[in-house]
Amino acid sequence: GAGVSQSPSNKVTEKGKDVELRCDPISGHTALYWYRQSLGQGLEFLIYFQGNSAPDKSGLPSDRFSAERTGGSVSTLTIQRTQQEDSAVYLCASSPPVVSSSTNYGYTFGSGTRLTVV
Amino acid sequence: AQSVTQPDIHITVSEGASLELRCNYSYGATPYLFWYVQSPGQGLQLLLKYFSGDTLVQGIKGFEAEFKRSQSSFNLRKPSVHWSDAAEYFCAVDSNYQLIWGAGTKLIIKP
Repeated sequence: GAGVSQSPSNKVTEKGKDVELRCDPISGHTALYWYRQSLGQGLEFLIYFQGNSAPDKSGLPSDRFSAERTGGSVSTLTIQRTQQEDSAVYLCASSPPVVSSSTNYGYTFGSGTRLTVV
Repeated sequence: AQSVTQPDIHITVSEGASLELRCNYSYGATPYLFWYVQSPGQGLQLLLKYFSGDTLVQGIKGFEAEFKRSQSSFNLRKPSVHWSDAAEYFCAVDSNYQLIWGAGTKLIIKP
């Protein structure tokens, strides 16, 4: 598609429930990132996928968080047993494969999923 | 360790006035630097980026930024702000294909 698409745009869930957040990156972008932005805070890196390589999960805050990327395209971020501190905007970004040209390299962000845990 | 500092949490300027948002980075190699803008309730939009070459880069919406290696800075400027520029601005450095973010500067426009 023309941009990075995230769904749902808003999600309200009860504490303890599991949620799945979806990201559809720009076609041809091999790198995909998940970030979290809590209210009034900057961006917190969660996980990074690059092609078929093993993902960099170093930013995941706990084992309740997991993500997968199927077929090198769509990604799903899953939060199990949600807690109130998980409430945040979850942003997905994608970027082209390599820094072959400064013209097209860069990170394109989706509009995010606002997660509220009540 | 790589880091990005945006020393101003908030900046208030009058509409039509000039603007400069500060960004300092710590990075060992030649950095790839970015400025993003986030309007309320919106995602992040790329304003401009620096890779190499000309140290003054032009972006969208009339913004520009200057890379100064000696000062480890990449400050964002605009000669005349508009009310629609009210947003939060983030500076970031690319570290091995991951972005290291500043904490952001919230721009408030006075009428």
